[in-house]
Amino acid sequence: GQSLEQPSEVTAVEGAIVQINCTYQTSGFYGLSWYQQHDGGAPTFLSYNALDGLEETGRFSSFLSRSDSYGYLLLQELQMKDSASYFCAVRSMNTGFQKLVFGTGTRLLVSP
Amino acid sequence: GAGVSQSPSNKVTEKGKDVELRCDPISGHTALYWYRQSLGQGLEFLIYFQGNSAPDKSGLPSDRFSAERTGGSVSTLTIQRTQQEDSAVYLCASSLMGNEQFFGPGTRLTVL
Repeated sequence: GQSLEQPSEVTAVEGAIVQINCTYQTSGFYGLSWYQQHDGGAPTFLSYNALDGLEETGRFSSFLSRSDSYGYLLLQELQMKDSASYFCAVRSMNTGFQKLVFGTGTRLLVSP
Repeated sequence: GAGVSQSPSNKVTEKGKDVELRCDPISGHTALYWYRQSLGQGLEFLIYFQGNSAPDKSGLPSDRFSAERTGGSVSTLTIQRTQQEDSAVYLCASSLMGNEQFFGPGTRLTVL
């Protein structure tokens, strides 16, 4: 089967940098996605990594190491609006290319 | 419309009743997904459609759950003889064979 592990909660202050880690176990790995979800809102796509390395999109970056079955989401210059839950999700050959298996999410609390 | 829409936004029903949840994906998106999210939890995959066919129904929790998609567009998720444990937010997402899934606002189902 597949499993993903993320910290349940992370706290940080405005302007800081925070890293949210995700480790996964699956076979036939294709790629790792990250989604953001504000309370009461729908998940929104942040990034996708299929190859090792860092992908940067503005204040957010995502990293993948396929050999370590590990990825992280890096949020820089934190703002209050970044307070949300962040989910990693894995796509693998075992579950069919289109299917995403989500982690349980990391709740980020940004304080002034 | 510009995004994925779902109806109703909220549904309160009595235990044992049947409910139908509707999803209108983004026009032209060939893939459609249903997920379930309990309070404070991650997203649980239910079913995936490619066009009108459902190659992956592995996530449906019991035979009380069924889904269909007609015309490669609208999908309905039906839950028969609802139970209290069915209470959750039901999320629909669509994609164009890509890495990004676009989520609707969800239907919050409460079974009394």
